[in-house]
Amino acid sequence: DAGVIQSPRHEVTEMGQEVTLRCKPISGHDYLFWYRQTMMRGLELLIYFNNNVPIDDSGMPEDRFSAKMPNASFSTLKIQPSEPRDSAVYFCASSWTFSGNTIYFGEGSWLTVV
Amino acid sequence: DAKTTQPPSMDCAEGRAANLPCNHSTISGNEYVYWYRQIHSQGPQYIIHGLKNNETNEMASLIITEDRKSSTLILPHATLRDTAVYYCIAWDGKTSYDKVIFGPGTSLSVIP
Repeated sequence: DAGVIQSPRHEVTEMGQEVTLRCKPISGHDYLFWYRQTMMRGLELLIYFNNNVPIDDSGMPEDRFSAKMPNASFSTLKIQPSEPRDSAVYFCASSWTFSGNTIYFGEGSWLTVV
Repeated sequence: DAKTTQPPSMDCAEGRAANLPCNHSTISGNEYVYWYRQIHSQGPQYIIHGLKNNETNEMASLIITEDRKSSTLILPHATLRDTAVYYCIAWDGKTSYDKVIFGPGTSLSVIP
């Protein structure tokens, strides 16, 4: 299996620009997660989906952030407009069941907003 | 939700056992202890979990005290590739995933 695939791996963008991060979960996984990791705040859950439906988006920092999952094999996390404080590593993860030992993470998208 | 505390960093000689402690004194009876690790520039990776009994798999062993207030992750023969941040998480497996809290973890350095 190819694992969770994220793109882009690295992105540098200017403040105010729209950023779209993409994720392909492991085939057959019903849960998809978006996390953000910074030095200050550590690893934070932003939102997660079950069967393409958002279940909990309480971690989404503000309205500039949005996430969609149009089908079982694709999800996006969009930031519009981006700000320097959005600079972080964004991880996508997926799981085939609701448990704590079946979460598989991608390699992350490293975002720098200048 | 139980909070966990871990030492910020530890060193271990290559080939020796690495014993990573975790304190979870407020853990509730239905909360499991999960361990994940994050190698630099990669996403976290599941290692092992347990409720009451000690557990062992191909990666590590987990020792949970009888009162369940603390646990120890044991890497029996640490290698350089085990250098990573290790996270101890307490979660009941039923409430929302936002209760799966990755704290600061322990940064383990395996030294040649």
